[in-house]
Amino acid sequence: DGGITQSPKYLFRKEGQNVTLSCEQNLNHDAMYWYRQDPGQGLRLIYYSQIVNDFQKGDIAEGYSVSREKKESFPLTVTSAQKNPTAFYLCASSIRGGEETQYFGPGTRLLVL
Amino acid sequence: GDSVTQMEGPVTLSEEAFLTINCTYTATGYPSLFWYVQYPGEGLQLLLKATKADDKGSNKGFEATYRKETTSFHLEKGSVQVSDSAVYFCALSATGAGSYQLTFGKGTKLSVIP
Repeated sequence: DGGITQSPKYLFRKEGQNVTLSCEQNLNHDAMYWYRQDPGQGLRLIYYSQIVNDFQKGDIAEGYSVSREKKESFPLTVTSAQKNPTAFYLCASSIRGGEETQYFGPGTRLLVL
Repeated sequence: GDSVTQMEGPVTLSEEAFLTINCTYTATGYPSLFWYVQYPGEGLQLLLKATKADDKGSNKGFEATYRKETTSFHLEKGSVQVSDSAVYFCALSATGAGSYQLTFGKGTKLSVIP
């Protein structure tokens, strides 16, 4: 079955620690996205990538970093510079950048110890 | 900039009741409009979409019509079920060069009671 997988489902971060969230898709989509969801809020875009080895900042990129070395993978690192990382993180993909329909993974919930 | 406003929840309905969740938008040009649904602890699933004025998106008994004159995309269902309990997000995708972002409303939580 084609789809988007995210791991882990829950992730705990200690103060000053960097953590990496995994996102993999086997849909052969060119574009991938990372969103952050806070309680009672809509989704906010962190980073997006239209093609391998290229990515752009979204609205709230500070304290986050990404890489896109393979078409199917778009990992997100939450760095120690992100002072309020507790949130639900959602990865999405679309056939190509500018293709409006985005398909979402199941999400990773990040909690701070 | 682009924005989406949807009715605040939570909304609680009895099974078989009629559902309306209002959504209005502000955007330049001619955006595509979406409804996504999120079940507890899960990611978002595309429910329906419309890409131009007067288009009607429909899926699983849900419908929404793209109304350019009122800049609205209200979600409706004639008879809700307990399994429809979820959070519903209205979103738009602007057109034009460099427009790769979905703009979301804050979500409306629906609870359906037997």
